[in-house]
Amino acid sequence: AQSVTQPDIHITVSEGASLELRCNYSYGATPYLFWYVQSPGQGLQLLLKYFSGDTLVQGIKGFEAEFKRSQSSFNLRKPSVHWSDAAEYFCAVGPGSGGSNYKLTFGKGTLLTVNP
Amino acid sequence: SQTIHQWPATLVQPVGSPLSLECTVEGTSNPNLYWYRQAAGRGLQLLFYSVGIGQISSEVPQNLSASRPQDRQFILSSKKLLLSDSGFYLCAWSTGETEAFFGQGTRLTVV
Repeated sequence: AQSVTQPDIHITVSEGASLELRCNYSYGATPYLFWYVQSPGQGLQLLLKYFSGDTLVQGIKGFEAEFKRSQSSFNLRKPSVHWSDAAEYFCAVGPGSGGSNYKLTFGKGTLLTVNP
Repeated sequence: SQTIHQWPATLVQPVGSPLSLECTVEGTSNPNLYWYRQAAGRGLQLLFYSVGIGQISSEVPQNLSASRPQDRQFILSSKKLLLSDSGFYLCAWSTGETEAFFGQGTRLTVV
């Protein structure tokens, strides 16, 4: 069974500082990996995704993530955080083969607070 | 382009009352459809998913049920709501090969 762990429940950074949100997954083969962002009371918006190929993927809003197979990790990074980045971030894993039983498993999320 | 609509946005219902949340997708055919529930600090819990009309898979036994009467329509229901059914419900769709796309969610409060 696939699973996702986001070790940090809440992170606080200052505006302009760099950011790294951690994500570890458990899956028997190469998974599909995703990062989503959620503003309060809203649905989830996809930031970026990894299917195969280059292990460093670029997303929207200046975010990037790196897939490290040896560490079963897919950490999200941003060089300089903006106040508008304050939100909750979810890492998700899906089966790499697709198919009729395709479903995403989400971590419990990391709440990001940005101080001025 | 594809869009997903979910309604209502908020709902306050008394314990023991019925529930019907509706989700529709436009701009795609035969999508995989999902209902998730989100509780504070617990992430997203997959409740039901469907790969076609009338085909529903339940992930967690509970007081809720789902139906898919049309290709792009997914309904979450309950005959009698419990206090523990309160939460934020999210509908999503995917092609079954890639990312999922989410609706704006329904905040359900059972009182």
